[in-house]
Amino acid sequence: AQTVTQSQPEMSVQEAETVTLSCTYDTSESDYYLFWYKQPPSRQMILVIRQEAYKQQNATENRFSVNFQKAAKSFSLKISDSQLGDAAMYFCAYMRGGSNYKLTFGKGTLLTVNP
Amino acid sequence: EPEVTQTPSHQVTQMGQEVILRCVPISNHLYFYWYRQILGQKVEFLVSFYNNEISEKSEIFDDQFSVERPDGSNFTLKIRSTKLEDSAMYFCASSVGSRVQYFGPGTRLTVT
Repeated sequence: AQTVTQSQPEMSVQEAETVTLSCTYDTSESDYYLFWYKQPPSRQMILVIRQEAYKQQNATENRFSVNFQKAAKSFSLKISDSQLGDAAMYFCAYMRGGSNYKLTFGKGTLLTVNP
Repeated sequence: EPEVTQTPSHQVTQMGQEVILRCVPISNHLYFYWYRQILGQKVEFLVSFYNNEISEKSEIFDDQFSVERPDGSNFTLKIRSTKLEDSAMYFCASSVGSRVQYFGPGTRLTVT
């Protein structure tokens, strides 16, 4: 079975600084997708960024980028120029390829942004 | 921007009672999901639904659970006889098939 591990229950960063959230996963599949979702307090989860396993290039979305290390099964999220609005719970998630759309989540990392 | 909505935001029920959690997915989406998160634990997949039938379910989704899309807009999760361990946050999600799932804000279910 696939598992997703987020080893940092909490992280904090100063406004305008850079922070990296860690995620590792375990799978025997070669076709899969990885996601980072953000959940602000009392709000729904929204997608931050996704990565297709077959793509070697790391995904980027504005201030958010990933470091996808397929051999190491590692998928970290880097947030540059952190803003107060980045404060949230961040979930790493895995989805097997094919017609299966089930997400497997990590436990989450609570990010605090200090002014 | 369209959003997934869920009602109620908080439901309190007594053990053994039936509850129905409601979701309105984004209108052009074709795939629907329920997940749950017990306090302090991971978000767990319960069930996916496509073309008016369950496409996958987890071992959590036993005979006490059922899903329905009764009218083409709502997507419901029914728990027939609630147990204490069903207390959790329940999230509905929908997708158009692009692998990106859009989540609702959740319903907090408390079973007493």
